[in-house]
Amino acid sequence: QSVLTQPPSASGTPGQRVTISCSGSSSNIGSHPVNWFQQLPGTAPKLLIYNNYQRPSGVPDRFSGSTSGTSASLAISGLQSDDESDYYCATWDVSLRAWVFGGGTKLTVL
Amino acid sequence: VQLVESGGTLVQPGGSLRLSCTVSGFIFSDSAMGWVRQAPGKGLEWVSGICASGRCTFYQPSVRGRFTISRDNSKDTLYLQMYSLRAEDTAVYFCAKYHGDYLGDFWGQGTLVTVS
Repeated sequence: QSVLTQPPSASGTPGQRVTISCSGSSSNIGSHPVNWFQQLPGTAPKLLIYNNYQRPSGVPDRFSGSTSGTSASLAISGLQSDDESDYYCATWDVSLRAWVFGGGTKLTVL
Repeated sequence: VQLVESGGTLVQPGGSLRLSCTVSGFIFSDSAMGWVRQAPGKGLEWVSGICASGRCTFYQPSVRGRFTISRDNSKDTLYLQMYSLRAEDTAVYFCAKYHGDYLGDFWGQGTLVTVS
């Protein structure tokens, strides 16, 4: 059971906008910024969003992050077939004194 | 930027193992580092982190007391010493660089540890 809760799956059609949620608590998302990662099968994770909304260089602006209270969201606009991947949220938990991840969301592009 | 893990192998329950992560392309001594693992078919799980100086370390509760993270800034290398290994420690172990306080702006390709 992950500390952060994500839907196990999401889907959309090419060109559509999809949102993936990440629910936590006051000791994690409510206290510390959120990162989002993309992971293709058999590869290392890739940082998509850090500090809730900032994108590393090279990440397209189709990817955006936001937070509200103890929840965070990753939005992907202009969905492409290459976006089919697993997505994870993560943040620091001040009570556990540990980084915690969501269980991951498998995005399917129909 | 490159991070290259090594040391993963098959080990018996109760055994020990040391993983290494050798880096290049950035100033290692300026960056906090960490280990993240992924059991077969499962999600990501943070294992441990260490600050740039090496003077502060943090652990996932399930490995605290069994794993030790360390670094040699003169060799640009991160380590994870694992003791009392259990079947549930079986996973691909990734090393990851921190961007300031934020985990994971660069990752290694991972090394597989199998406890059986």
